[in-house]
Amino acid sequence: AQSVTQLDSNVSVSEGTPVLLRCNYSSSYSPSLFWYVQHPNKGLQLLLKYTSAATLVKGINGFEAEFKKSETSFHLTKPSAHMSDAAEYFCVVSETGTASKLTFGTGTRLQVTL
Amino acid sequence: DAGVTQSPTHLIKTRGQQVTLRCSPKSGHDTVSWYQQALGQGPQFIFQYYEEEERQRGNFPDRFSGHQFPNYSSELNVNALLLGDSALYLCASSSMARYSNQPQHFGDGTRLSIL
Repeated sequence: AQSVTQLDSNVSVSEGTPVLLRCNYSSSYSPSLFWYVQHPNKGLQLLLKYTSAATLVKGINGFEAEFKKSETSFHLTKPSAHMSDAAEYFCVVSETGTASKLTFGTGTRLQVTL
Repeated sequence: DAGVTQSPTHLIKTRGQQVTLRCSPKSGHDTVSWYQQALGQGPQFIFQYYEEEERQRGNFPDRFSGHQFPNYSSELNVNALLLGDSALYLCASSSMARYSNQPQHFGDGTRLSIL
C-alpha cells in the first residue's frame, strides 16, 4: 500500500524567505511522486514530478524537490517566497505509473506574510 | 488547447436525491479518474475509467458509479445522497499509453452541497 505523510499542516514564512514543505512517503514499489498546489476554490495544478530520473526535480514557479530514497522523503523547497505562493500544497504518490491511482497527503497550508 | 473541464461548477441537492457530474478530459487523454475532496482534506480516489471500463476503485460504496463514453468523457453518479457526500469532486485526465510519462491533469471541480 502507498501513503504519504505531510509533516506540517500549516507553514508561515515571510516574503523573500525560503520555503520548506516536508513530505515522507511509503510505497511497496518504485514510486512516482508529485507536488500539486491548490489555490482557494480551484482545482489542482502540478508543480513538479519525480519518476525515477534525476533525484533533484525542478518545477514551475521556482519550486524544486529532492527525492531521497534512504530517507523516504520528497521535500518541496523554494529559495524565496512570493505572496502569490500562498495556497494549499499536496504531496502525492503513485505506485504503478503516472496514469494510475494517486494517493494524496493531508496538505500543507502555506501562508506568506509581508 | 482546452484542459480538463467539469460541469456544473456548483450544485445543491437534498438528502436521498441522485446527482450526475460530468467531465471532459484534456485533448489527447484517454483515462479519467474521479476524486472526492472533503473540506480541509486531501482528495480521495473514487475510481478510474479507461476504454469505457472501471479499472481501479477506491474505498467508496456502490452508491458511487461512473461511466466513460467513446469520446473519453466521463460521468460520476451518486445515488441516495448523504450529508457526508458534500465535497469538491475533482476529475483528472491522463494517458494510459505504455510509455507515457505525463502526470494527471485536474479540472477545477464541482462543488456539491447536500442540504
